[in-house]
Amino acid sequence: LAKTTQPISMDSYEGQEVNITCSHNNIATNDYITWYQQFPSQGPRFIIQGYKTKVTNEVASLFIPADRKSSTLSLPRVSLSDTAVYYCLVGDRGQAGTALIFGKGTTLSVSS
Amino acid sequence: DSGVTQTPKHLITATGQRVTLRCSPRSGDLSVYWYQQSLDQGLQFLIQYYNGEERAKGNILERFSAQQFPDLHSELNLSSLELGDSALYFCASSGGLAGVDYEQYFGPGTRLTVT
Repeated sequence: LAKTTQPISMDSYEGQEVNITCSHNNIATNDYITWYQQFPSQGPRFIIQGYKTKVTNEVASLFIPADRKSSTLSLPRVSLSDTAVYYCLVGDRGQAGTALIFGKGTTLSVSS
Repeated sequence: DSGVTQTPKHLITATGQRVTLRCSPRSGDLSVYWYQQSLDQGLQFLIQYYNGEERAKGNILERFSAQQFPDLHSELNLSSLELGDSALYFCASSGGLAGVDYEQYFGPGTRLTVT
């Protein structure tokens, strides 16, 4: 059964780069590793996904080592509005289809 | 606005009762996913439907059931409710992949309170 581990919380200041790492084992070998952002009283919002190496979009980068046992979400130059909970999402293939496993979430607090 | 709608927004009911939560996916999306979010368990995947058929199951209790209708909206039925079922229930949708799609669009959620 796939398991994920993320830090519970992180603190940062505006303008800094933040890296959040998720450890995951027994994940589906051919599926994406995905990260979501959630603000209070809202549904999670997709940030980025990747299969291996490095992926970058307009808001974040995602680093995945060759063994795919972890992934690191990198947020460049965070602002106050990046204060939120960040989740990694992986899949676990089984007889009942691919179960989706969210990490427990990392609460990022950005201060001025 | 993700384009996914959920009703009702809030629901308060008593133990032992049955409720139905409704979800309308984004226009054109064929997959619907249901999640439960509570403080102690975090975000738990319950079930996925694709174009009316069940595709994957997660930690869904036997007291819970779901279906996706021909117009692609979905309903999650929760019965014999217990205090521990109090949570936020999210619906998400994704595009045309028959398998799981990790890029999902989440609705605003239904907050269920069981008293």
